[in-house]
Amino acid sequence: QLQLQESGPGLVKPSETLSLTCTVSGGSISSSDYYWGWIRQPPGKGLEWIGNIYYTGTSSYNPSLKSRVTISADTSKNQFSLKVSSVTAADTAIYYCARRNYGSGRRDYWGQGTLVTVSS
Amino acid sequence: QSALTQPASVSGSPGQSITISCTGTSSDVGAYNYVSWYQQHPGKVPKLMIYDVGNRPSGVSNRFSGSKSGNTASLTISGLQAEDEADYYCSSYTTSGTWVFGGGTKLTVL
Repeated sequence: QLQLQESGPGLVKPSETLSLTCTVSGGSISSSDYYWGWIRQPPGKGLEWIGNIYYTGTSSYNPSLKSRVTISADTSKNQFSLKVSSVTAADTAIYYCARRNYGSGRRDYWGQGTLVTVSS
Repeated sequence: QSALTQPASVSGSPGQSITISCTGTSSDVGAYNYVSWYQQHPGKVPKLMIYDVGNRPSGVSNRFSGSKSGNTASLTISGLQAEDEADYYCSSYTTSGTWVFGGGTKLTVL
């Protein structure tokens, strides 16, 4: 059974860089069948797509976040990561990692989510 | 990119049918058949209910169905049950190669 698990600091200071890792078990991020991505949800608000990465290393990002976001993958550890630079309170959210099928909008496996608070 | 437009709330009585709309543009909903719907109960992880407009993952009740006409997609829940009370989000691929979510709809079962 595929499982995704987010990890990283729960508290980040303003202007610093938020860094999260998603560890995948029960499947390989090197598969050509899937994209691996990040979605966030500010407390009490809706979902926002952050970006995703393909096994080739190709990534795409939400235009509103593109200048501050980097998604990378470490196939040797079967992990992919998210970095958001110059964070503000507006970046406070639950961050989810998820898998999406190639050539489809099927995003059927999600991590449990991790709350990241931006505060001094 | 702008969020897809969903009604903030809808409601229905047990046994009734309800429909949630998701309106986009010719650059997202209208451009591809890559519209998905997610159900989210409070404090829980979003759950995929419909993908690629009208496909249901295994394990999802056939009371849930999806459709699309032009720039608007719809999620219909028939035979409404108390457990269906949740937030629902649509999502679509865009011509920019990115994805966009709707603002979410709170479904209340009366």
